[in-house]
Amino acid sequence: DTGVSQDPRHKITKRGQNVTFRCDPISEHNRLYWYRQTLGQGPEFLTYFQNEAQLEKSRLLSDRFSAERPKGSFSTLEIQRTEQGDSAMYLCASSSIHRGAGYTFGSGTRLTVV
Amino acid sequence: TQLLEQSPQFLSIQEGENLTVYCNSSSVFSSLQWYRQEPGEGPVLLVTVVTGGEVKKLKRLTFQFGDARKDSSLHITAAQPGDTGLYLCAGVPSNYQLIWGAGTKLIIKP
Repeated sequence: DTGVSQDPRHKITKRGQNVTFRCDPISEHNRLYWYRQTLGQGPEFLTYFQNEAQLEKSRLLSDRFSAERPKGSFSTLEIQRTEQGDSAMYLCASSSIHRGAGYTFGSGTRLTVV
Repeated sequence: TQLLEQSPQFLSIQEGENLTVYCNSSSVFSSLQWYRQEPGEGPVLLVTVVTGGEVKKLKRLTFQFGDARKDSSLHITAAQPGDTGLYLCAGVPSNYQLIWGAGTKLIIKP
């Protein structure tokens, strides 16, 4: 297993466009998380899945954000009608279901909205 | 709302010096994790501390979990430029979701 993969690594888009990011977690991990991180700050929770079920979604997440994990494997995060404030690093992580299990993060997708 | 406060937010020191980073909360955690993140990459797990009072060592890094499991510290001995990065602590509360600190940006100057 090559760890958590995210695609693309970088995305530049015009304001108002839709973007979709993909995350391939570690295959043995049931849990998958999406975070957003701005420069010099800790990760901000967006949502997480256990297998294919989306169990929690941050109240900070607007309706323009949606995530799916249709078969309990890879996941996609879509942002509709992007705004400049959406510019950030979007991180995906996976973990086992054991309490306190460490997260394995991908390298992230850097989104720049111009 | 459970919060984790990290201090200092930023630290720049010379190679060879020692330093300590703190992670404090008013809440009890079942365990606490420390991550290191380099620019343009995702955080990488360094250690998980579980038992109150536990001390774990990773080469020149010493991690301690407070007796009451509300706080933790990371001590680096004889810091090297390769230790430069963003150090994040994350607490594990009862509902499995990690509570993240804002991070300590550490720069070690040669």
